[in-house]
Amino acid sequence: NAGVTQTPKFQVLKTGQSMTLQCAQDMNHEYMSWYRQDPGMGLRLIHYSVGAGITDQGEVPNGYNVSRSTTEDFPLRLLSAAPSQTSVYFCASSRGGGTEAFFGQGTRLTVV
Amino acid sequence: GQQVMQIPQYQHVQEGEDFTTYCNSSTTLSNIQWYKQRPGGHPVFLIQLVKSGEVKKQKRLTFQFGEAKKNSSLHITATQTTDVGTYFCAGPWRGSTLGRLYFGRGTQLTVWP
Repeated sequence: NAGVTQTPKFQVLKTGQSMTLQCAQDMNHEYMSWYRQDPGMGLRLIHYSVGAGITDQGEVPNGYNVSRSTTEDFPLRLLSAAPSQTSVYFCASSRGGGTEAFFGQGTRLTVV
Repeated sequence: GQQVMQIPQYQHVQEGEDFTTYCNSSTTLSNIQWYKQRPGGHPVFLIQLVKSGEVKKQKRLTFQFGEAKKNSSLHITATQTTDVGTYFCAGPWRGSTLGRLYFGRGTQLTVWP
C-alpha cells in the first residue's frame, strides 16, 4: 500500500518554465490538497479537491492550477515559474474533510 | 490572516526536560489534530481529539482539547532526541461543510543530549 506518492522529489526550474507536480493516492480518498511549506510559514494551502471534478482555491492559489479528473490523481501545475515559488510542496489526501491527512514525501522545487 | 496560532515557534530543550506547545484558533473547531514532521520529512498524523475537554495520552505525549474547542496543547514529558521535529496542530472549523484543515505554523523542537 503506497499511500500518497509525489513525483518528482526534486526539481530545478528556470524562471518562466512550466511544469506539473504529480500526486497519486491509492486509498480511495475523496479529499486531496496541495500545500507549500516555507521556513517559518508552516503549511499553506494552495488548492484542494473534495472529489473528482471538484476543486477550490486555498490561501495561496496564484500561479498554480489544479484539476481532478480521477479520484486517485491530483496534479499541480505551475504555469510560469517564479523564484517566489521556490518551496517544498506537499500533497495530502484524507477520507473526508476534517479527517486525518496522509502526506506525500514532498517535492523540493527551486526556481532560478 | 493567520487563523490558527501556535506558540512557541521554536523550543530548545535538553534531553530529559519537558516540552509544551500551544495551539489557539480564532474559531471553534470540530476537532483538533496534531502532526509531527521530522527534519527533511513530511508531516505525520499523531492524534485527533474531538470532544470538548478531551485528554489523550500516547506514552510520554499528552494532548488536550480545550473546553471551548478553540485551543489545544501537546506536552512531552522527559524529551528524548527522537522527539526532534516540528509539531503542527490543525483543525476544521465547526460547521464547515468542506472540512478544510487550518494548520498552525508549527513549533520546532530541538533536543540536545
